[in-house]
Formats: sequence, C-alpha cells, structure tokens
Amino acid sequence: GQQVMQIPQYQHVQEGEDFTTYCNSSTTLSNIQWYKQRPGGHPVFLIQLVKSGEVKKQKRLTFQFGEAKKNSSLHITATQTTDVGTYFCAGREAAGNKLTFGGGTRVLVKP
Amino acid sequence: GAVVSQHPSWVICKSGTSVKIECRSLDFQATTMFWYRQFPKQSLMLMATSNEGSKATYEQGVEKDKFLINHASLTLSTLTVTSAHPEDSSFYICSAPNSGRVLNNEQFFGPGTRLTVL
Repeated sequence: GQQVMQIPQYQHVQEGEDFTTYCNSSTTLSNIQWYKQRPGGHPVFLIQLVKSGEVKKQKRLTFQFGEAKKNSSLHITATQTTDVGTYFCAGREAAGNKLTFGGGTRVLVKP
Repeated sequence: GAVVSQHPSWVICKSGTSVKIECRSLDFQATTMFWYRQFPKQSLMLMATSNEGSKATYEQGVEKDKFLINHASLTLSTLTVTSAHPEDSSFYICSAPNSGRVLNNEQFFGPGTRLTVL
C-alpha cells in the first residue's frame, strides 16, 4: 500500500533560523496536504497542493509540490517559538479518497 | 471554518468494558467521516472510513468487530471500542471533509479522545 515518509523526525531549530521538512510518497499523489499539531492538540489544516511543481506561501511558510507529484516540502523562515509542534504531510492517491499521513516532523525551537 | 467536536475528550475505563466515542460536525453535514488512532509521538493511523447510511470501511489490520462504527446521521459518527484492553489505550481522532465531497477537501479534525484502559 501507499507509504508516506517524512524527514527529519525531529528538528531542533534556533529561533530566527530557517529549516525544511521533506515528505516522500511511494506512489503518485493527486494532492498533498500539510497539517500542524501543537503538543496536546489535534491536527490543523495548513494547506493543500494539487498541481505538479506548485509552490504556495503562507507568511513565513513555503510549501512545494514536486514535479512528479510524489514529494513535497515545507520550508519555514525565521523560526519563532510559535512554530513549535509537529508538522504532518498527508497524501491522497489519485485513485483513492483517503489521506495517508507521514510520520511527522517534530519541531522544537530554542529561544 | 468548519467545526468538529468529539465527546468525551478523555475517558478512563477498566479492561473488558466498552467505550463509545462520538464525533459531530457542528455546522456542516458530513456523509463521510474518518477515524484515526494516534499513539504517543507517532503519526495518525487511519482506522476506518465512516459512511452515512452504509457500512464503514476498515483499514487492513483493524478489527471491525472490536471497533464498531455507526454513522447514524449526517452530523454524527460513533466509534465503540468493545472489550477494551490496555493496548487499546490511545488518542482517537475523527475528521470530516469540509463539504459533501471527500476528494480534494481539507479535513477538519475533532479535538480527539484520549482513552486509557486500566
């Protein structure tokens, strides 16, 4: 079945620095979504990417969908303490309607 | 945005008992809802897809007789963990797409239910 992998599992970032988390699917995706889960909370939708090579920005967050629609990345610039949490990518296969979540990247910010 | 609620938010029960968790879409109708399980510091694992008016679709390895799902109305799905055991202790989260169409729609997640089985 479909597998979605995320790296790194953990990201310790100095406040103000940038970092990137990567997401790779074993199969081609119809779209990919990104979620953020704060400690003790539930996942909250951030964005959806649909087109090959698509790039979307949300303030300091930049999301990219690969040309082959099998990988994606999330880049955060000038990290702030409010960025703490786990970021999950979730892919939907072309033929299916369910989301498969990656393992998540747990982000810790050092002030 | 759309709101999904879950009840209870946490529950502690004795081994062998059954626990029912409710998932409601508060301001929209959801013909489909999803149930996930999340162990500490792990990802969300899809357990089953709940379909209003028909049987739920279970993921491979999920026992349908142990995790009973009932999608009684367009705003309510319930998950019953039958004969719960300590290994069933987990964070159970439901979600629903933000419209009647599942494809290409973001999922709105409930706040989750933390189940502890003693």
